[in-house]
Amino acid sequence: DGGITQSPKYLFRKEGQNVTLSCEQNLNHDAMYWYRQDPGQGLRLIYYSQIVNDFQKGDIAEGYSVSREKKESFPLTVTSAQKNPTAFYLCASSIDVRGNYGYTFGSGTRLTVV
Amino acid sequence: GEDVEQSLFLSVREGDSSVINCTYTDSSSTYLYWYKQEPGAGLQLLTYIFSNMDMKQDQRLTVLLNKKDKHLSLRIADTQTGDSAIYFCAETRGNQGGKLIFGQGTELSVKP
Repeated sequence: DGGITQSPKYLFRKEGQNVTLSCEQNLNHDAMYWYRQDPGQGLRLIYYSQIVNDFQKGDIAEGYSVSREKKESFPLTVTSAQKNPTAFYLCASSIDVRGNYGYTFGSGTRLTVV
Repeated sequence: GEDVEQSLFLSVREGDSSVINCTYTDSSSTYLYWYKQEPGAGLQLLTYIFSNMDMKQDQRLTVLLNKKDKHLSLRIADTQTGDSAIYFCAETRGNQGGKLIFGQGTELSVKP
Protein backbone atom coordinates (compact mmCIF):
# COMPACT_ATOMS: atom_id res chain seq x y z
CA ASP A 1 0.00 0.00 0.00
CA GLY A 2 1.19 3.51 -0.76
CA GLY A 3 1.73 5.97 2.02
CA ILE A 4 4.09 8.03 4.14
CA THR A 5 6.18 6.43 6.86
CA GLN A 6 7.66 8.46 9.68
CA SER A 7 10.15 7.02 12.12
CA PRO A 8 10.68 6.74 14.95
CA LYS A 9 7.26 7.23 16.55
CA TYR A 10 8.87 8.51 19.76
CA LEU A 11 12.28 10.16 20.08
CA PHE A 12 14.14 11.49 23.09
CA ARG A 13 16.90 14.06 22.74
CA LYS A 14 19.42 15.27 25.25
CA GLU A 15 20.29 18.93 25.47
CA GLY A 16 22.84 19.91 22.82
CA GLN A 17 22.23 16.91 20.56
CA ASN A 18 21.17 16.89 16.93
CA VAL A 19 18.53 14.35 15.98
CA THR A 20 17.14 13.33 12.60
CA LEU A 21 13.53 12.40 11.91
CA SER A 22 12.88 10.14 8.96
CA CYS A 23 10.11 10.60 6.36
CA GLU A 24 9.70 8.23 3.41
CA GLN A 25 6.88 8.12 0.84
CA ASN A 26 6.10 5.65 -1.93
CA LEU A 27 3.30 7.69 -3.48
CA ASN A 28 5.50 9.18 -6.19
CA HIS A 29 4.58 12.64 -4.91
CA ASP A 30 6.73 15.56 -5.98
CA ALA A 31 6.21 17.84 -2.98
CA MET A 32 7.00 17.09 0.66
CA TYR A 33 6.51 19.12 3.83
CA TRP A 34 7.46 19.19 7.49
CA TYR A 35 5.11 20.65 10.10
CA ARG A 36 5.46 21.13 13.81
CA GLN A 37 2.39 20.79 16.04
CA ASP A 38 2.15 22.26 19.55
CA PRO A 39 -1.00 22.05 21.69
CA GLY A 40 -3.49 24.78 20.83
CA GLN A 41 -1.31 26.20 18.02
CA GLY A 42 -2.27 24.10 15.04
CA LEU A 43 0.38 23.21 12.50
CA ARG A 44 3.31 25.42 11.60
CA LEU A 45 5.37 24.86 8.46
CA ILE A 46 9.09 24.21 8.98
CA TYR A 47 10.40 23.37 5.49
CA TYR A 48 9.01 22.18 2.19
CA SER A 49 10.40 20.76 -1.03
CA GLN A 50 8.77 20.78 -4.44
CA ILE A 51 11.48 18.90 -6.29
CA VAL A 52 14.56 16.80 -5.63
CA ASN A 53 17.65 18.77 -4.52
CA ASP A 54 15.59 21.86 -3.75
CA PHE A 55 13.78 23.01 -0.59
CA GLN A 56 12.38 26.19 0.89
CA LYS A 57 12.13 27.58 4.41
CA GLY A 58 8.71 27.70 5.97
CA ASP A 59 7.54 29.94 8.79
CA ILE A 60 9.68 28.46 11.59
CA ALA A 61 12.85 27.10 9.92
CA GLU A 62 15.35 28.36 12.50
CA GLY A 63 17.11 25.49 14.28
CA TYR A 64 16.07 22.92 11.66
CA SER A 65 17.66 21.55 8.48
CA VAL A 66 16.46 19.25 5.70
CA SER A 67 17.72 17.47 2.59
CA ARG A 68 15.97 16.10 -0.48
CA GLU A 69 18.45 13.83 -2.22
CA LYS A 70 15.77 11.38 -3.36
CA LYS A 71 12.16 11.92 -4.36
CA GLU A 72 11.01 9.42 -1.74
CA SER A 73 12.86 10.84 1.25
CA PHE A 74 12.76 14.14 3.14
CA PRO A 75 14.58 13.82 6.50
CA LEU A 76 14.40 16.60 9.09
CA THR A 77 17.29 17.35 11.46
CA VAL A 78 16.51 19.15 14.69
CA THR A 79 19.73 20.88 15.66
CA SER A 80 20.96 22.03 19.04
CA ALA A 81 20.14 25.58 17.91
CA GLN A 82 16.41 24.80 18.24
CA LYS A 83 15.73 25.98 21.77
CA ASN A 84 12.34 24.41 22.30
CA PRO A 85 12.22 21.25 20.19
CA THR A 86 9.69 19.26 22.24
CA ALA A 87 6.71 18.86 19.89
CA PHE A 88 4.85 16.54 17.56
CA TYR A 89 6.37 16.55 14.05
CA LEU A 90 4.32 15.71 10.99
CA CYS A 91 5.57 14.98 7.49
CA ALA A 92 3.28 15.30 4.47
CA SER A 93 3.41 14.98 0.72
CA SER A 94 1.29 16.15 -2.19
CA ILE A 95 1.00 15.05 -5.79
CA ASP A 96 0.61 18.66 -6.92
CA VAL A 97 3.23 21.29 -6.06
CA ARG A 98 0.48 23.92 -5.97
CA GLY A 99 -1.15 22.11 -3.04
CA ASN A 100 -4.25 21.12 -4.99
CA TYR A 101 -5.96 17.89 -3.88
CA GLY A 102 -4.51 18.25 -0.40
CA TYR A 103 -1.73 16.51 1.47
CA THR A 104 -1.17 12.96 2.68
CA PHE A 105 0.24 12.90 6.21
CA GLY A 106 2.45 10.46 8.05
CA SER A 107 1.57 9.30 11.55
CA GLY A 108 4.02 11.68 13.23
CA THR A 109 7.08 11.62 15.49
CA ARG A 110 6.85 12.86 19.06
CA LEU A 111 10.16 14.45 20.10
CA THR A 112 10.92 15.08 23.77
CA VAL A 113 13.98 16.79 25.22
CA VAL A 114 15.24 15.06 28.37
CA GLY B 1 -5.30 39.03 9.00
CA GLU B 2 -2.94 36.24 7.99
CA ASP B 3 -4.48 33.46 10.06
CA VAL B 4 -7.05 30.79 9.37
CA GLU B 5 -9.33 30.89 12.40
CA GLN B 6 -11.45 28.28 14.12
CA SER B 7 -13.07 28.04 17.51
CA LEU B 8 -11.08 25.72 19.76
CA PHE B 9 -13.79 23.50 21.30
CA LEU B 10 -17.19 22.06 20.46
CA SER B 11 -19.22 19.65 22.56
CA VAL B 12 -22.32 17.81 21.27
CA ARG B 13 -24.52 14.88 22.26
CA GLU B 14 -24.37 11.64 20.32
CA GLY B 15 -26.92 11.69 17.49
CA ASP B 16 -26.97 15.50 17.21
CA SER B 17 -25.45 17.42 14.30
CA SER B 18 -22.09 19.15 14.74
CA VAL B 19 -21.14 22.31 12.90
CA ILE B 20 -17.50 23.39 12.87
CA ASN B 21 -16.75 26.84 11.48
CA CYS B 22 -13.66 28.34 9.89
CA THR B 23 -12.70 31.74 8.54
CA TYR B 24 -9.97 31.83 5.93
CA THR B 25 -8.00 34.68 4.41
CA ASP B 26 -6.93 34.11 0.81
CA SER B 27 -9.68 34.91 -1.68
CA SER B 28 -7.63 33.24 -4.41
CA SER B 29 -7.52 29.87 -2.62
CA THR B 30 -8.42 27.18 -5.13
CA TYR B 31 -9.25 24.40 -2.69
CA LEU B 32 -10.29 24.40 0.94
CA TYR B 33 -9.91 21.33 3.10
CA TRP B 34 -11.14 19.64 6.24
CA TYR B 35 -8.80 17.26 8.06
CA LYS B 36 -9.43 15.04 11.09
CA GLN B 37 -6.80 14.17 13.70
CA GLU B 38 -7.31 11.45 16.28
CA PRO B 39 -5.11 11.42 19.42
CA GLY B 40 -1.44 10.72 18.71
CA ALA B 41 -2.02 10.30 14.98
CA GLY B 42 -1.41 12.18 11.76
CA LEU B 43 -4.03 14.16 9.87
CA GLN B 44 -6.57 12.39 7.68
CA LEU B 45 -8.13 14.24 4.75
CA LEU B 46 -11.91 14.19 5.28
CA THR B 47 -13.13 16.24 2.37
CA TYR B 48 -12.32 19.26 0.26
CA ILE B 49 -14.27 21.79 -1.75
CA PHE B 50 -13.30 23.59 -4.91
CA SER B 51 -13.65 27.36 -4.70
CA ASN B 52 -16.31 27.58 -7.43
CA MET B 53 -18.69 25.42 -5.35
CA ASP B 54 -21.05 26.54 -2.59
CA MET B 55 -21.74 23.16 -1.08
CA LYS B 56 -20.44 19.61 -1.13
CA GLN B 57 -22.08 16.61 0.51
CA ASP B 58 -20.38 13.32 1.23
CA GLN B 59 -22.45 10.86 3.31
CA ARG B 60 -22.72 12.40 6.80
CA LEU B 61 -20.48 15.36 5.92
CA THR B 62 -21.69 18.62 4.39
CA VAL B 63 -19.28 21.43 3.54
CA LEU B 64 -20.61 24.95 2.99
CA LEU B 65 -18.51 27.68 1.43
CA ASN B 66 -19.35 31.39 1.56
CA LYS B 67 -16.72 33.10 -0.57
CA LYS B 68 -18.03 36.58 0.08
CA ASP B 69 -17.47 36.21 3.82
CA LYS B 70 -14.51 33.76 3.44
CA HIS B 71 -16.36 31.35 5.68
CA LEU B 72 -16.16 27.58 5.54
CA SER B 73 -18.17 25.14 7.64
CA LEU B 74 -18.26 21.39 8.18
CA ARG B 75 -21.51 19.78 9.31
CA ILE B 76 -21.44 16.23 10.65
CA ALA B 77 -24.89 14.65 10.76
CA ASP B 78 -25.80 12.05 13.41
CA THR B 79 -22.54 12.62 15.29
CA GLN B 80 -21.06 9.49 16.86
CA THR B 81 -18.53 9.03 19.68
CA GLY B 82 -16.04 7.90 17.03
CA ASP B 83 -16.22 11.40 15.56
CA SER B 84 -14.47 12.79 18.65
CA ALA B 85 -11.23 14.27 17.33
CA ILE B 86 -9.59 17.55 16.34
CA TYR B 87 -10.80 19.00 13.05
CA PHE B 88 -8.60 21.35 11.00
CA CYS B 89 -9.60 23.54 8.11
CA ALA B 90 -6.91 24.54 5.64
CA GLU B 91 -6.53 26.79 2.62
CA THR B 92 -4.02 26.78 -0.21
CA ARG B 93 -1.89 29.89 -0.59
CA GLY B 94 -1.37 30.04 -4.31
CA ASN B 95 1.15 32.86 -4.07
CA GLN B 96 3.25 30.93 -1.55
CA GLY B 97 4.21 27.83 -3.50
CA GLY B 98 0.89 26.13 -2.91
CA LYS B 99 1.47 25.43 0.73
CA LEU B 100 -1.49 24.70 2.99
CA ILE B 101 -2.22 27.03 5.89
CA PHE B 102 -4.05 25.36 8.75
CA GLY B 103 -6.34 26.73 11.42
CA GLN B 104 -5.66 25.95 15.08
CA GLY B 105 -8.06 23.04 15.06
CA THR B 106 -11.44 22.51 16.73
CA GLU B 107 -11.61 19.77 19.35
CA LEU B 108 -14.95 17.98 18.98
CA SER B 109 -16.16 16.11 22.04
CA VAL B 110 -19.16 13.80 21.57
CA LYS B 111 -20.98 12.81 24.75
CA PRO B 112 -23.11 9.65 24.88
